Amino acid sequence: DQQVKQNSPSLSVQEGRISILNCDYTNSMFDYFLWYKKYPAEGPTFLISISSIKDKNEDGRFTVFLNKSAKHLSLHIVPSQPGDSAVYFCAASSSFAGGTSYGKLTFGQGTILTVHP
Amino acid sequence: EPEVTQTPSHQVTQMGQEVILRCVPISNHLYFYWYRQILGQKVEFLVSFYNNEISEKSEIFDDQFSVERPDGSNFTLKIRSTKLEDSAMYFCASSEGRQGTTEAFFGQGTRLTVV
Repeated sequence: DQQVKQNSPSLSVQEGRISILNCDYTNSMFDYFLWYKKYPAEGPTFLISISSIKDKNEDGRFTVFLNKSAKHLSLHIVPSQPGDSAVYFCAASSSFAGGTSYGKLTFGQGTILTVHP
Repeated sequence: EPEVTQTPSHQVTQMGQEVILRCVPISNHLYFYWYRQILGQKVEFLVSFYNNEISEKSEIFDDQFSVERPDGSNFTLKIRSTKLEDSAMYFCASSEGRQGTTEAFFGQGTRLTVV
């Protein structure tokens, strides 16, 4: 099941620079997209989301961009901080799946972000 | 800040034994989920639960698995006869609204080791 793909297993960035994490999806029924951050031995922590009716959503240092025609989304972190070092998961869901899809998030494989001081 | 809590943090069990993983979702949330992550793999959906019944389940969630909300606060995942391949991190999550409208909040996970 490769409906959500994060093709970069890792990303290394200098503190203060921009981090760009990418995610591609194949299922046209997905209409809500989320980014989660995960530290070892902890659960995923919600970061930011975007509905398919938008192409951009911003929250502080985090901005998510959605390109529906390319089935691509990205997370920008500016400026990057060492505390941002974690695994970042892209996830997607559909509000259409027979009207009963109460919560099936489909996750990507994750990208390990390392921010160097 | 409200959070989803899971117990225990680590459970070791012998193959064939039953285990119950426990979760306390955020109090005003109505939708509850279990996910799991086998080491080195993706986070995978297992089941969603709403209005005291399963609303969706994955192919992983076979007859060995069951979920229950025995009271107003707890949400449990039971594995009847554990197999070695059930070893994974199990995450409980809850959301206020239906997916596609609100985000799900995850607990810290239970690491299940089947020996």
